[in-house]
Order: sequence, then C-alpha cells, then structure tokens
Amino acid sequence: KQEVTQIPAALSVPEGENLVLNCSFTDSAIYNLQWFRQDPGKGLTSLLLIQSSQREQTSGRLNASLDKSSGRSTLYIAASQPGDSATYLCAVIDNNDMRFGAGTRLTVKP
Amino acid sequence: DAGVIQSPRHEVTEMGQEVTLRCKPISGHNSLFWYRQTMMRGLELLIYFNNNVPIDDSGMPEDRFSAKMPNASFSTLKIQPSEPRDSAVYFCASSDGTSGRTDTQYFGPGTRLTVL
Repeated sequence: KQEVTQIPAALSVPEGENLVLNCSFTDSAIYNLQWFRQDPGKGLTSLLLIQSSQREQTSGRLNASLDKSSGRSTLYIAASQPGDSATYLCAVIDNNDMRFGAGTRLTVKP
Repeated sequence: DAGVIQSPRHEVTEMGQEVTLRCKPISGHNSLFWYRQTMMRGLELLIYFNNNVPIDDSGMPEDRFSAKMPNASFSTLKIQPSEPRDSAVYFCASSDGTSGRTDTQYFGPGTRLTVL
C-alpha cells in the first residue's frame, strides 16, 4: 500500500529565503506526482504535475523534482514571499489510486 | 460516518448525452469541492461550495458544466452535452471549513466517466 510522507510538517522562514519541501513515497511504481497549495477554506490549487517519465517541472519561482527510484520529490520555492504562506500537499497517483501526504504548513514572515 | 459518498462509481455514456454526478458530503462538513482527474493534467479543482453557496467556479471548463448544492447533504455536477474529452475521474471532497484555518479535505471514491 502506497504511503506518502511530507517533511517537515511545519516550516517558518523569513521573507526572501529559498526553501525546500520534501515528499517521500514507498512504492516507486507511480504514474505521476502532483504538488498542491491549500489556503484556508479553499480548494486545492495545482502547482506542478510531474509525469513518471519526467525528473522535474518548473513554474515561476517553483521547481519540483522527482526521483522515482528513491521514492522522493522536492518542491523548491525561491525567494519566498508572505503570499506563499499556505499548506503544501503532494499527491502520488499510481494506477487508479491517489494518495496525499499530510502536508507542510509554510509561514513566510515579512 | 460513511465518508464522502459518490454515485455512480462508473458511468459510460455516448457523446451528447447528459451526465449527472452526485455527491453526499460527510455530515457536518460545510465545504464541498468538485475535482477532475486525468493522467495528463492531474487533479484539477472545478468548483467549491461553502455553506451551500458556490465560492469559486473558475475551474469549471465551460458552460457545459454546472454544479449545484441544494442542501448541506447533497451536490450534483452536471455535464450537458457530454464530449469524449470529458472522460476522467471526478472526485468530490468535503471539509469542516472554518474560516482562518486549513482543513483536511476528505475525498470520495470518485466517479469514472467515459464518454464514447
């Protein structure tokens, strides 16, 4: 059974710092991995989708990497801003199942 | 609680037909979300409700899609007319959304829609 773990559970950084969020999964036979942002009371916003054949995806200040063999993905946020404060979730899709990590709650202080 | 309930689990229809997907959120939850999942695009938020009121429908792909939440225990997502490109898994999720904090969303099992 696929298990998805996110570390750390919470992170607080000053504005401008670069930071890395981690996601690990136990079964490397995945179709794709997706990073989301969740703001209080709102739906999940898709940030980046990495297909199993890809190693990374970039969008603006965000870069997500995928290492299937080691069961890891990282989300790199450059030059963090207070508006980046949210909970970040990774989800792994294998066959017909989608599993989420518990999320990392990020606070970027002005 | 039985969790979020979706019906049907599978739906196969022909192009041009109307499709209605149904969702019963967890009792007591006041936020409900509809998502669509495809292999190419992953999971995408279509629309969400808070206290039965649609808050953000910017993810709804086009006018063929509509969603309603007539009461706290029921929501529908309708596609009329359906097209083959609508084939996907549609998820409903609910949460105990309280303003000011992030709440865990509980997902239903999904409806796998195939439009021929």
